[in-house]
Amino acid sequence: AQSVTQPDIHITVSEGASLELRCNYSYGATPYLFWYVQSPGQGLQLLLKYFSGDTLVQGIKGFEAEFKRSQSSFNLRKPSVHWSDAAEYFCAVGFSGGYNKLIFGAGTRLAVHP
Amino acid sequence: KAGVTQTPRYLIKTRGQQVTLSCSPISGHRSVSWYQQTPGQGLQFLFEYFSETQRNKGNFPGRFSGRQFSNSRSEMNVSTLELGDSALYLCASSPRRDGPNTGELFFGEGSRLTVL
Repeated sequence: AQSVTQPDIHITVSEGASLELRCNYSYGATPYLFWYVQSPGQGLQLLLKYFSGDTLVQGIKGFEAEFKRSQSSFNLRKPSVHWSDAAEYFCAVGFSGGYNKLIFGAGTRLAVHP
Repeated sequence: KAGVTQTPRYLIKTRGQQVTLSCSPISGHRSVSWYQQTPGQGLQFLFEYFSETQRNKGNFPGRFSGRQFSNSRSEMNVSTLELGDSALYLCASSPRRDGPNTGELFFGEGSRLTVL
């Protein structure tokens, strides 16, 4: 069965510092991979996605993620964090034939210190 | 373009009652998915509707049901409410359900259900 692990429940960084959020997935074939962000009281917003091709994908708000098949990982990165990036981040996996059914990780809550 | 609209935003029910939640997708989007979000279980897929037909279903009891209308609007219903049904119910729409846009979901702000 497909699964997604986000090892870090909470992360705190200082504004301007770099950020890396970890995501590992379990799936037999090449999955579709996503990062979504949820601000308090809001729905989720898609940051970026990987379907195939270039393993480094760029998203909105200056985020990028790298797909590493050998490590079954899809880590999210940002070189310089802004206070407005404080939110909860979810990694998700989709799969061929699953259509819009996504398996989400438990989320990583990001706090940003000034 | 208006986003995904969910109503009501907040509601309180008691055990044994039933509830109906509504979702209006982005104009032109034909796929509507529902997810349940709880602190303990996280985000879990409930079901997906496309062209008025349920295409995909998660691992939830039959008390959870839904439907989609010809204008793509969707409703989900939970009967015989239990305390554990307290959650944020999120609706997401997508223009299609296959191809390279699969999984690109546009979420509403959710309906927060509290069961007492």
